[in-house]
Amino acid sequence: DIQMTQSPSSLSASVGDRVTITCRASQYINSYLNWYQQKPGKAPKLLIYTASSLQSGVPSRFSGSGSGTDFTLTITSLQPEDFATYYCQQSYYTHTFGPGTKLEIK
Amino acid sequence: EVQLVESGGGLVQPGGSLRLSCAASGFTFRSYWMNWVRQAPGKGLEWVANIDQDGSEKYYVDSVKGRFTISRDNAKNSLFLQMNSLTAEDTAVYYCAREMIVVPTDMDALDVWGQGTMVTVSS
Repeated sequence: DIQMTQSPSSLSASVGDRVTITCRASQYINSYLNWYQQKPGKAPKLLIYTASSLQSGVPSRFSGSGSGTDFTLTITSLQPEDFATYYCQQSYYTHTFGPGTKLEIK
Repeated sequence: EVQLVESGGGLVQPGGSLRLSCAASGFTFRSYWMNWVRQAPGKGLEWVANIDQDGSEKYYVDSVKGRFTISRDNAKNSLFLQMNSLTAEDTAVYYCAREMIVVPTDMDALDVWGQGTMVTVSS
């Protein structure tokens, strides 16, 4: 099975900051990597697919990069609505989610 | 409007069974793989199962193999999850999610989600 890890597990930042979240796969997954945002009590929302493609309707301050085993999600100029939990997910073989990164307001 | 609406959750005793449903609308249901994803209270997301367009291919996370069965009825635009031999560890919000394929690759992502239905396993 493919395992996913994320770092950090939590992060405090301020409005306007730039933040980066890292995701690592336990084996090669090419670019079969997606990122989701989840707010409390809500369903997850797809942000980035195939490692770097922005889902329709998602603001351009979100970006993704990486391939193979190491990936990053970057949010430039944090907005109040960006404080949420972020999950990476591999789809190379079935699906596995990372443990999540909770982004909190400093 | 593209929409997924889950139902069928509730309180069930350990060892019991429950059948979840997901009603799809606003898109051609029979053209998509579909998934179930769950989230235990205060925990992260866990992919549970998925099924191909005609129901011939099904995959499960190891922890539910032999206990859960995913199925679909394309004539009724519906996805199901039959859950048997339930334990406290199955307590979670269960989401159904559509799997979009990134053409021309075979890569995919879960692009449409329902609001979830809560399953509580407790005596």
